[in-house]
Amino acid sequence: DTEVTQTPKHLVMGMTNKKSLKCEQHMGHRAMYWYKQKAKKPPELMFVYSYEKLSINESVPSRFSPECPNSSLLNLHLHALQPEDSALYLCASSPTLGETQYFGPGTRLLVL
Amino acid sequence: AQSVTQPDIHITVSEGASLELRCNYSYGATPYLFWYVQSPGQGLQLLLKYFSGDTLVQGIKGFEAEFKRSQSSFNLRKPSVHWSDAAEYFCAVGMFSGGYNKLIFGAGTRLAVHP
Repeated sequence: DTEVTQTPKHLVMGMTNKKSLKCEQHMGHRAMYWYKQKAKKPPELMFVYSYEKLSINESVPSRFSPECPNSSLLNLHLHALQPEDSALYLCASSPTLGETQYFGPGTRLLVL
Repeated sequence: AQSVTQPDIHITVSEGASLELRCNYSYGATPYLFWYVQSPGQGLQLLLKYFSGDTLVQGIKGFEAEFKRSQSSFNLRKPSVHWSDAAEYFCAVGMFSGGYNKLIFGAGTRLAVHP
């Protein structure tokens, strides 16, 4: 089973709202990733967690706050977003860093 | 600089025709190589990967790819395209940076299939 699940599928939020994206995998993977993908562009890496610790932050604005409460779950907390943050947010996981990444279906976010 | 190039932004083929999607990379060492496919509004699905060994790799859905070190290429092929293959295809390279293998994606190739 190579399934990564993400909820919600779609999210609309105002610039003053606080919301969270959730990602879950039960493959025993110990590395998890958040990507942002704008329309007609490739995914861009945002954060990398390894063994529940933040390993990489690709200079992402602080209005995006990741959290890895356990080895199966990865959250992305959103606060005071801008319309330009509207995008598809993809989660991925891999057995460890450097191994093949498996992607979830994404959350389509619209910021009004 | 490390980079991945997919020269073709759009490709249109007829159903049943053969397909080749090009991918070139720039990297000093032997990279890890991947092809992912993305249907509209969906996540990325892994088609195949190359780490080492046989340079011709087989993937899912009848796809294959060949690693050519001399040409720094990893082209994706399929002998007979089906309408359901219409999607965006991303070539990616895993490059060791900052203590881990970071995926560098190409810009993608959008495949359209005519009936």
